[in-house]
Order: sequence, then C-alpha cells, then structure tokens
Amino acid sequence: QKEVEQDPGPLSVPEGAIVSLNCTYSNSAFQYFMWYRQYSRKGPELLMYTYSSGNKEDGRFTAQVDKSSKYISLFIRDSQPSDSATYLCAMRYGGATNKLIFGTGTLLAVQP
Amino acid sequence: DVKVTQSSRYLVKRTGEKVFLECVQDMDHENMFWYRQDPGLGLRLIYFSYDVKMKEKGDIPEGYSVSREKKERFSLILESASTNQTSMYLCASRGGFTGELFFGEGSRLTVL
Repeated sequence: QKEVEQDPGPLSVPEGAIVSLNCTYSNSAFQYFMWYRQYSRKGPELLMYTYSSGNKEDGRFTAQVDKSSKYISLFIRDSQPSDSATYLCAMRYGGATNKLIFGTGTLLAVQP
Repeated sequence: DVKVTQSSRYLVKRTGEKVFLECVQDMDHENMFWYRQDPGLGLRLIYFSYDVKMKEKGDIPEGYSVSREKKERFSLILESASTNQTSMYLCASRGGFTGELFFGEGSRLTVL
C-alpha cells in the first residue's frame, strides 16, 4: 500500500465549477500537508500549505485536512481554464526530516 | 523570488553514455533534491543533500550519483545511461519557514 494515494484523473469540469481534489494517507505521523500545482512541461509550485488539521483558504482555493480520517482535500471555487494543471498533494513528518511524500497527481482540465 | 535553474530542458542520449544534469539555486538554501517523475508513479526521490559535499540516498538511487561541490549547485550523474532512465528529472531546493520545496522547470531525458 502506498503511503499517499491520489486519484490520477483526468478530471474534466466546465468553467465556473467547484473542483474537489483529494488524497488519502496511511501514516498518522504526517503533520505538514501541501498542495503543489504543476503546469504542463513545468516544475511543481507550492499552492497551499497546512499544518495539522483544519481548513486554510487563499482566494478561490481551500485546503482541508482531516487527520482522523487521514484525508486531505483541495477545493477550487469558480474554476478557470488557467487552473488546468496537475495537482500534487504532498506531506511530511515533523521535526528535522526533509522527506516529502508526494501523491501521484491529479490532472485537471477546466473547459471554457 | 527563489530561482532553481536546470541547465538542460531536453536531452537525448544513447545507452551507455554518461549524462550530467546540473541544477543551480540562488537563495542560499542548504538542502537540495533530485527527483524523477514518471506517469502513474509520481515524484520519486533519487538523492538529496543537506550541505556541501553531503549526500543521502533517496528511494531510487540505483544507477545515479550526485555531486555537491558548491552550496548553490547540485548535479545528478548517470554513469551509464539506460533506456529505463528515460524520464523527467526535477531538481528542488528547500527553504522558507514552511520547508517548502522550490522546483526547477525540469529536464526531460530520453535515452535511446
């Protein structure tokens, strides 16, 4: 079983839709949760960062962490064609460790 | 803005050739990483470095080596390229209070 599971998609939605992207994980020791966005032929860039449980909002984006269910989500409101990209969840343990565990990514296409 | 620059965006090499992939970051980060990214497998860590001349194996180090002679530069070396090393290679440096990874744009290597 992979430590982090993510549905690869592809996910196709019309412009303006609410998008929900999800990851599940198996190790309850993860404390830091991130979402990266990767445009085609580019490197990933950090989109959202959350520590422990709860919600975090940034403009049209909301990151949600449910540690009891080992489940994290990224919601995109009023989706735009420019949101079309691969979204990667990532998480790591606390402390001095450097290792970030990534999901395989979900490919999102927002149709105009 | 943090910039991570990978010297080659696209390379085509033949089986058995030695390949150098170079990465430079401009933010004085101590930690640097090399990943490969393959469809369905996501990002997999090859090697990382805590500091100059320090290196640690990641999850898939076989067939690769690295060099970190200067803080800003981290090189990935394929001593004898094989076709199963055809992939997208991503360099990253780690910094900021979140410990987020800053990625380069990637080097797409094809081994014939």
